[in-house]
Amino acid sequence: DAGVIQSPRHEVTEMGQEVTLRCKPISGHDYLFWYRQTMMRGLELLIYFNNNVPIDDSGMPEDRFSAKMPNASFSTLKIQPSEPRDSAVYFCASSLRQGASNEQFFGPGTRLTVL
Amino acid sequence: QKEVEQNSGPLSVPEGAIASLNCTYSDRGSQSFFWYRQYSGKSPELIMSIYSNGDKEDGRFTAQLNKASQYVSLLIRDSQPSDSATYLCAAFGGSNYKLTFGKGTLLTVNP
Repeated sequence: DAGVIQSPRHEVTEMGQEVTLRCKPISGHDYLFWYRQTMMRGLELLIYFNNNVPIDDSGMPEDRFSAKMPNASFSTLKIQPSEPRDSAVYFCASSLRQGASNEQFFGPGTRLTVL
Repeated sequence: QKEVEQNSGPLSVPEGAIASLNCTYSDRGSQSFFWYRQYSGKSPELIMSIYSNGDKEDGRFTAQLNKASQYVSLLIRDSQPSDSATYLCAAFGGSNYKLTFGKGTLLTVNP
């Protein structure tokens, strides 16, 4: 399997622009997670999906952030408008199940810089 | 608010020594615990999971869990320079059905 695929790997944009991050989970995995990692706050869960349905979006920082999963093999995280404080590495992860024994597999991440 | 605490380090050990990484968690209802390794500029990868009190060994790695003390540790025996990375502790379950990560401990193994 190719693992979790994310694009783009790097994104540099200017404040106010729309940013769209993309993720393809591992085939057969029912759960998809979006995380953000910064030095100050560490790795934070933003939102997760089960069978394409958003289950918990309590980690989404504000209305500027939105996520969709139109089908089992594709998800997007959109920031509109972007701000410098959104600069971080955004990881997508997937797992076969959610529970005490769940193992999450992470994609390579998208490094976002907002100028 | 479920929290997972780790010393940020850096923890520096000589090659061949035992590296000991520690983690505490606040939610007593947490059910399972994970150690992820993250090389600089890379994504986290799972190296150990533990669900029951006691020790779990896998090669050079031993995870230890003490639920009464809300404490998790990872021992790396015969440390190698290739073990130099940030180690993230994570807890699952309890007040929320999510994986909560600590901020990580940076380990440096000196040749």
